Amino acid sequence: QKEVEQDPGPLSVPEGAIVSLNCTYSNSAFQYFMWYRQYSRKGPELLMYTYSSGNKEDGRFTAQVDKSSKYISLFIRDSQPSDSATYLCAMSNYGQNFVFGPGTRLSVLP
Amino acid sequence: ETGVTQTPRHLVMGMTNKKSLKCEQHLGHNAMYWYKQSAKKPLELMFVYNFKEQTENNSVPSRFSPECPNSSHLFLHLHTLQPEDSALYLCASSQASGSYEQYFGPGTRLTVT
Repeated sequence: QKEVEQDPGPLSVPEGAIVSLNCTYSNSAFQYFMWYRQYSRKGPELLMYTYSSGNKEDGRFTAQVDKSSKYISLFIRDSQPSDSATYLCAMSNYGQNFVFGPGTRLSVLP
Repeated sequence: ETGVTQTPRHLVMGMTNKKSLKCEQHLGHNAMYWYKQSAKKPLELMFVYNFKEQTENNSVPSRFSPECPNSSHLFLHLHTLQPEDSALYLCASSQASGSYEQYFGPGTRLTVT
């Protein structure tokens, strides 16, 4: 079993749609959960992070963590063409074992 | 210059060549990282430096040799690479080793012929 699994996509949605991106993981020691966004020909940039379980909202983005199911999600509301990118989940138990998912490629069509 | 810069952005090298990748961070961070990104695979952490000292080496082949002369600069020396080493090599920095918030450079696209 891979440590972090993520559907690679590509995922294509129309502008204005709600997007749901997900990752599952196997290591119950993970405490920090991150979402990075990577545009073409750029390095990843941190979008959101969550500590332990729960929800976190930042504008159109909501991150959810369900540690009991080892499942994390990123929701994008009112998606825009500028949201087209690859979204990488990442997790760590701080100071050790920082692991990325393979990324989901998202296209938001105007 | 701001953030994390990497040079060159693209590199084509033969299997017998020796080349170096350079990374510089202008954020005052103490930790720097090298990652390898291949198509449809997760980012692979290669090396971690904290206050110029190497703290992690994830079983990387010796044909990759990192160097960290100070907290702002990181190099990756390459020699006798294989075609499967072709990938995007990303440098990142963070305030401290293991921090959840890492800042990435744009990467060097390496092609080994």
